[in-house]
Amino acid sequence: SQTIHQWPATLVQPVGSPLSLECTVEGTSNPNLYWYRQAAGRGLQLLFYSVGIGQISSEVPQNLSASRPQDRQFILSSKKLLLSDSGFYLCAWSVNNEQFFGPGTRLTVL
Amino acid sequence: AQSVSQHNHHVILSEAASLELGCNYSYGGTVNLFWYVQYPGQHLQLLLKYFSGDPLVKGIKGFEAEFIKSKFSFNLRKPSVQWSDTAEYFCAVNAGDSNYQLIWGAGTKLIIKP
Repeated sequence: SQTIHQWPATLVQPVGSPLSLECTVEGTSNPNLYWYRQAAGRGLQLLFYSVGIGQISSEVPQNLSASRPQDRQFILSSKKLLLSDSGFYLCAWSVNNEQFFGPGTRLTVL
Repeated sequence: AQSVSQHNHHVILSEAASLELGCNYSYGGTVNLFWYVQYPGQHLQLLLKYFSGDPLVKGIKGFEAEFIKSKFSFNLRKPSVQWSDTAEYFCAVNAGDSNYQLIWGAGTKLIIKP
């Protein structure tokens, strides 16, 4: 069966520091991968999606970036965090239009 | 631009009450429709989905949803809620030509009083 891992589960970072959140999927090949940010009362905001290695589409211009160095690995990064980057970040993979979510990372920028 | 609207941000019900959560979308073409649920402290998980066929779909835990194309709606229902249904519920829509992207509603927080 397929599983999706995200780490870390929680992260507290100072403003201006770099960020790297990792997501890996097991049990499937060539999945579509997604990074979302979930804000209270605002649902899920799609940040990036990828249909293959090295293929990244950005939905929201901001100081975040994403990379897909391997088929089942998706990384969310930032060179310099802003206070507004605080939030709950979810990774997901999909097949046949159905998306499956990871446990999320709670990021607090101080 | 495509959008999904969930009418209620917060709903409070007593156990055994009937539930209906509204979801409307704005897209005139073929759509795939989803309801996801997030229980406290747990992952988002799929509750039910509609791709084609019978517009009344049944999901897990006694939930169902009806696709009414003329109303651009996909409302979620449960005849008798339980305390364990306390969760946040999200409606999502995939337009047929959107390259597997989902458009999400803002979510409805459902609290069931024991």
